Amino acid sequence: DQQVKQNSPSLSVQEGRISILNCDYTNSMFDYFLWYKKYPAEGPTFLISISSIKDKNEDGRFTVFLNKSAKHLSLHIVPSQPGDSAVYFCAANSGGSNYKLTFGKGTLLTVNP
Amino acid sequence: NAGVTQTPKFRILKIGQSMTLQCAQDMNHNYMYWYRQDPGMGLKLIYYSVGAGITDKGEVPNGYNVSRSTTEDFPLRLELAAPSQTSVYFCASGQGFAEAFFGQGTRLTVV
Repeated sequence: DQQVKQNSPSLSVQEGRISILNCDYTNSMFDYFLWYKKYPAEGPTFLISISSIKDKNEDGRFTVFLNKSAKHLSLHIVPSQPGDSAVYFCAANSGGSNYKLTFGKGTLLTVNP
Repeated sequence: NAGVTQTPKFRILKIGQSMTLQCAQDMNHNYMYWYRQDPGMGLKLIYYSVGAGITDKGEVPNGYNVSRSTTEDFPLRLELAAPSQTSVYFCASGQGFAEAFFGQGTRLTVV
C-alpha cells in the first residue's frame, strides 16, 4: 500500500523553464510534507517543506503547493538549472509522536542546457 | 561539521554472513533512522530511535537489529545476510518533526 505516490518516474525540461514535480498521498493523517533532492552516490538532502496549515511555501527558486482536499502537492522550480538535475523524493509525516517519514519512489528530473 | 557519517561505503557479503553498518552523527540529534532504498523504489524505514536506549521497528525490520547506546551512534546489524538485503542503506538523524539529515549511504551486495 503506497501512501505517497510520485506517478512520474522522470521529467525532462529545458534550462530556464519551469519544472513541476507532483506527489499524491492517501493517508489523511499526514500533516507535514517534505521534498528531498538526491544526486547519484549521495544521500538525500532536504529541499523544502510545508505544513498542512499552509497551502504554499517558497524558498528562492523552489515553491511547494499543497492541496489538502485533493491530497496533492507539487514542487515548482523556476527557473530550472542544469544543476537541478537529480532525483526528487516527496515525503510525508503524520506528526504527533510519529516522526517517521514515508517516501515516494522519486522522480528523476533532467534539466537540459 | 561532519553531519551523518556512514561506514563502510561499499560491502559485498556472502549469504549467511553477518555485518554491522555504522552510523554516527555529530549534531546532537535525538532522532536517528535507518532506511533502505531498492532500485526504482523510495526509501523504506527499517528501524528508528527517538533517543539513547530507545528503538522501534519501521516498515521493513525483518533480518535487522539496531542498538542506540549513545546519542551519536546508531549501528544496524545484519545477522544472516540474504540476497533480498542487497540494497543501498541510508542512516539519517533529525530533531523529529522536521527535516532529517542523511548520510552518504552504504551500498551492500549479498551474493
